[in-house]
Amino acid sequence: QKEVEQDPGPLSVPEGAIVSLNCTYSNSAFQYFMWYRQYSRKGPELLMYTYSSGNKEDGRFTAQVDKSSKYISLFIRDSQPSDSATYLCSAGGTSYGKLTFGQGTILTVHP
Amino acid sequence: GAVVSQHPSRVICKSGTSVKIECRSLDFQATTMFWYRQFPKQSLMLMATSNEGSKATYEQGVEKDKFLINHASLTLSTLTVTSAHPEDSSFYICSARQGETSGNTIYFGEGSWLTVV
Repeated sequence: QKEVEQDPGPLSVPEGAIVSLNCTYSNSAFQYFMWYRQYSRKGPELLMYTYSSGNKEDGRFTAQVDKSSKYISLFIRDSQPSDSATYLCSAGGTSYGKLTFGQGTILTVHP
Repeated sequence: GAVVSQHPSRVICKSGTSVKIECRSLDFQATTMFWYRQFPKQSLMLMATSNEGSKATYEQGVEKDKFLINHASLTLSTLTVTSAHPEDSSFYICSARQGETSGNTIYFGEGSWLTVV
């Protein structure tokens, strides 16, 4: 079993839709969680950082962490074609910066 | 904002040769950097943790003698793929943390495409 599981999709939605991306993890030692966006053939770009359980909102993006169920979510409101990319969830524990990634979900937002 | 730079962005080398990839933190000191590998349509897999002034810590299954990591300064880590073979062809990405504690941002480089022919 992978430590971080993510449905690879692909996920295709119309412009303006609310996108829900989800991951589960198995390692109870994970304390912080990050969502990255990766465009084709580029390095990952940090979108959201959450420490422990709770919600965090930044513009059109909302990250949720439920440590009791080991569930991580990213919501994108009013999705745009420019949001089309691969979204990677990741988690880390006591060794800060050492991240375990999910497989990534390929998202396409069509006009 | 902080930037992590990787060089080269693309490299093609012949089988059996060695190739070096550099990872630089441009405007902050990074005592720790991380090296990942990504195959097409797959996730990032951590290869090793690069510690300034000391030996790198490798993940299980990663050959230390094949993937040489040197962290000679607080702003530079290098990954050398020795005696490269076609199966080493991949996307290599480094990251650096700005600060030692949680709450500090982790920045990724743009990645380096290695093709071994």
